[in-house]
Amino acid sequence: AQTVTQSQPEMSVQEAETVTLSCTYDTSESDYYLFWYKQPPSRQMILVIRQEAYKQQNATENRFSVNFQKAAKSFSLKISDSQLGDAAMYFCVKGTSGSRLTFGEGTQLTVNP
Amino acid sequence: DGGITQSPKYLFRKEGQNVTLSCEQNLNHDAMYWYRQDPGQGLRLIYYSQIVNDFQKGDIAEGYSVSREKKESFPLTVTSAQKNPTAFYLCASSIDLALGPGKNQPQHFGDGTRLSIL
Repeated sequence: AQTVTQSQPEMSVQEAETVTLSCTYDTSESDYYLFWYKQPPSRQMILVIRQEAYKQQNATENRFSVNFQKAAKSFSLKISDSQLGDAAMYFCVKGTSGSRLTFGEGTQLTVNP
Repeated sequence: DGGITQSPKYLFRKEGQNVTLSCEQNLNHDAMYWYRQDPGQGLRLIYYSQIVNDFQKGDIAEGYSVSREKKESFPLTVTSAQKNPTAFYLCASSIDLALGPGKNQPQHFGDGTRLSIL
């Protein structure tokens, strides 16, 4: 089975600091997408950032950026200038053809004031 | 506003009972999905549909059934065969993926339904 592994069940960061969430994945496909979704206490799933596997340039969305290492099958998320509203469960997700998504187990991020 | 509406927000099932979770979207998306989330875990795919009148089993389809009679609707029935139905259920939709490889569009999610056993 193709898997997505998030090795950090919990992380914490001070407000305004930077934190990096780790993710590794397994795939036999050459064409796939990677996403980070966040799930706040409201349980909504919110797309944070998206990376196409065929692109070498790392995706960036405001304070969120990724470090995509295709050969190492690594896809980490960096959150800069952390805000209290960033506190949530973060899921690393791999998408393949046919839109099948595989979710990691999640990393619970706490932001301390 | 376009979006995905799941109802009800909370649902209780008695032993031996089938229950149906509703999912409606007005985003004009072709593809729709049902996921199950257990506490502290990620989402697992139950069923998905890329076009009306067609659907495919996901990773944990046993004990569940779906229908896709209309583009905007994708109800999920939790049957009595599902022995451990207590979970949070999320519905999602996306633009049709049958646009060639590498066209994986992000999925938009509803607010979820929490199902419990009485």
